[in-house]
Order: sequence, then structure tokens, then C-alpha cells
Amino acid sequence: AQTVTQSQPEMSVQEAETVTLSCTYDTSESDYYLFWYKQPPSRQMILVIRQEAYKQQNATENRFSVNFQKAAKSFSLKISDSQLGDAAMYFCAYRSYGGSQGNLIFGKGTKLSVKP
Amino acid sequence: DTAVSQTPKYLVTQMGNDKSIKCEQNLGHDTMYWYKQDSKKFLKIMFSYNNKELIINETVPNRFSPKSPDKAHLNLHINSLELGDSAVYFCASSRDTNTGELFFGEGSRLTVL
Repeated sequence: AQTVTQSQPEMSVQEAETVTLSCTYDTSESDYYLFWYKQPPSRQMILVIRQEAYKQQNATENRFSVNFQKAAKSFSLKISDSQLGDAAMYFCAYRSYGGSQGNLIFGKGTKLSVKP
Repeated sequence: DTAVSQTPKYLVTQMGNDKSIKCEQNLGHDTMYWYKQDSKKFLKIMFSYNNKELIINETVPNRFSPKSPDKAHLNLHINSLELGDSAVYFCASSRDTNTGELFFGEGSRLTVL
């Protein structure tokens, strides 16, 4: 069974600085998706970024980028120029590609605080 | 237009009652899910339906019964509510079982007194 581990329960960053959130996963599959979801206090689950395992290039979405290391099974999220609105819980998630069930497997989350 | 909508968003009820949470998606997706988020924010899959067929049924008390009248709707009915059922329940959908991301509703916070 696949597992996702986020080793940082809480992180803090100064506004305008850069922060990296860690995520490791365990799988025997070769094709899969990895995601970062953001959950602000409003409770909504918002997709931040996604990575297909077959793509070597790291995904980027504006200030958000990932460092995907397939051999190391590592998938970290870098937030540049942090803003107050980035404060939230961040969840790393795994999804099998070509599977029959399709559900996301989540890590336990990292709570990010942004200091003004 | 909200892509995945859940009702109600908040629900406060007494132990022993029966309650339902409804979910609808207007994305034309084939697959829908129920997740439970506990007090420590951990998200765990409960059920998944693909084209109205149950495909995931995790170890959940049989007091929880999902129903999918069509592929755009997935409802969750809970009988004989217990204190431990207090949580946020998220509905989600995806295009199918194996491509892309999941889209989530806003969550329904259930409080059992």
C-alpha cells in the first residue's frame, strides 16, 4: 500500500521570504500523480500544484514550484515570495495512475504560518 | 457556479439521531468520493463511486451508508450518530478513476452532542 509522509507538522515563514515543505512517499508503482493541496481556515481544499511521475520536469505554478525526486520518492513544495494569504494547512497527496479506485492518499499535513 | 457542492455545511445534532449530507457535482465527472477529516486534520477515504457503482468501501461502521442516485450525486447517510462521528466530511469528484486531480466540496462540519 502507498503511504505519504509529511515530517513537518508546522512551519513558519516571514512574508516575502521562501519556504520549502517536505513530502516523501512510498510506492511500488512507476506511474502516479503527486499533488499539493492547500486548506486555508475557510476549510476549502484547493489544488496548488500537480506532478505526473513520468514527467522529469518539475511543475511550477507562479510562486509555487516542486522538487520532484522520483528515485528518492521525495516531492517538496517551494513557496517563493510568501504572502499572508499563503497561511494554511498544506497536504501532500498521492494518486495511482491507471488504477481502478482513484482515491487520493494524503499525508498528515503541514501547518504554514506567515509572519508579517 | 460551484463545481462540487455539499449541503448542509454545518450540522449540529444529538447522539443517536440519523442525518444525511448531500453532494452534487456539475463537472460531468464519473467518479465521486467521501472523505472524513478528523480533529487532527487527517483526511481518510471512506467511499468512492464510479458511474454509480461502489468501488471503495473502507473500514467504516455500517451506520454509514452512501447512495449514488446518478453519477452527479453522492449522498452520505449516517444512522445512530455517535460522538466520534464529529468531523468534517468532504465530498470530491474526479473525471475518472485514474487521471488528474480530485475536486473538493467545501466540507460539511458535523458536530454530535
